[in-house]
This record gives sequence, structure tokens and C-alpha cells, in this order.
Amino acid sequence: DAKTTQPNSMESNEEEPVHLPCNHSTISGTDYIHWYRQLPSQGPEYVIHGLTSNVNNRMASLAIAEDRKSSTLILHRATLRDAAVYYCILRGMNYGGSQGNLIFGKGTKLSVKP
Amino acid sequence: ETGVTQTPRHLVMGMTNKKSLKCEQHLGHNAMYWYKQSAKKPLELMFVYSLEERVENNSVPSRFSPECPNSSHLFLHLHTLQPEDSALYLCASSQGVWAGDTEAFFGQGTRLTVV
Repeated sequence: DAKTTQPNSMESNEEEPVHLPCNHSTISGTDYIHWYRQLPSQGPEYVIHGLTSNVNNRMASLAIAEDRKSSTLILHRATLRDAAVYYCILRGMNYGGSQGNLIFGKGTKLSVKP
Repeated sequence: ETGVTQTPRHLVMGMTNKKSLKCEQHLGHNAMYWYKQSAKKPLELMFVYSLEERVENNSVPSRFSPECPNSSHLFLHLHTLQPEDSALYLCASSQGVWAGDTEAFFGQGTRLTVV
């Protein structure tokens, strides 16, 4: 039951910005948009999350469309260490249900060229 | 270092063996999870624990038996596994199972090989 759609892969040049898109047309009003990434041979790592407004942290920025049906993770200056699989996940707030679970899709594999 | 520690990092076991995977977190979280990641496949959620009570079991075979003795520790007991169970097993924790506005922290995983 994929709730989000992401490109399978993307390429970027080192020190350039990267925009990773995610479509989630069936998002509900209580779903938060989460981004995680998984570096080779490691567990997933939290990147950022948001509900309606754009969000910034030390790792990245999250731009959320006004209708919330899509979002974009922005890495301002890609480094070789940013090469990873990036997952866009919807996480709900439905107490007693399973909508709060983190369900991973295939994600976007980001390659960064020197 | 995410605050979630898994041991062992690597495990090779025969199909008739019994082994256990351990996960520990001291982040004060009350929810813990087991995931399985097979080669070329997305992460699959196996079990969810909230306040030491199992709240979800996603059709996982009985040869996988989870245990959560307290909010800081989670185990996955393994017995009579099959070669297709070889995978990376990941543990995660978060503050609240159904709190969509909290992040989860993952361990480095245990790479399991069944021979």
C-alpha cells in the first residue's frame, strides 16, 4: 500500500543543491511527512518531518506544497556523504490504529558525483 | 551513534540453532520496533511494541519470537530459521507508537546469515 511515490534514482554533483520530490496525493489531514535516509550498510537515519509549513534543520529543508499532495526534500549542498537511499513516508496520528507506523517504500537512490 | 544499540552486528546460524538478537535504547522512548530488510527489498515492519506490550504483528512466522521485558530492551528470538530469513534485522525506537510528529531512531542492524 504505497502512499508515496518517489523516483527510483537521482544523480547530483558535489556541492550543488539537490531537490528530491515525493508525491502523496492521498495524504490525510493528520499525516505528517517524514524523510529518512539510509547510507550503505547502515540503519535508516531521520532527516526531517513536517505537517503543513516548510521546515528547516541542520541537515535539510522540507518544502510542502500548499495542497500537501507533494513535498520536496532539499539538500542545499550535496556532499559525497549524502549518497544514500532517501525515503519519503507518511506517518499518521490515529491512536489505536496503524497509521502511525513507519512504512518504507523503495525510496530514491541518490548518487553524488565528485 | 543514534542511541539505539543492536547486538550482535553479525550472526551466522544453522537452521537448527536457536539464537537471539538484542536491542537496547536509553532515549526514554516507549515504543520499539523490529524491521527486516532483505536484499533488494524495502524494509518490512515485523513487530511493534508500545509500553512493553505488542501492538502489532505483521504476519510474521512463529519462528520469530519477540520479547520486550522493559521499555529499554527488545529481543528477537530465532529458532529453526530458513536460508530465506537471511537479512539485515533493524531495531528502532520512538516516543509514542501513534505519534506521527515524532521521529524514530534506528540501530545499525544485525546482519543475519542462515546456513
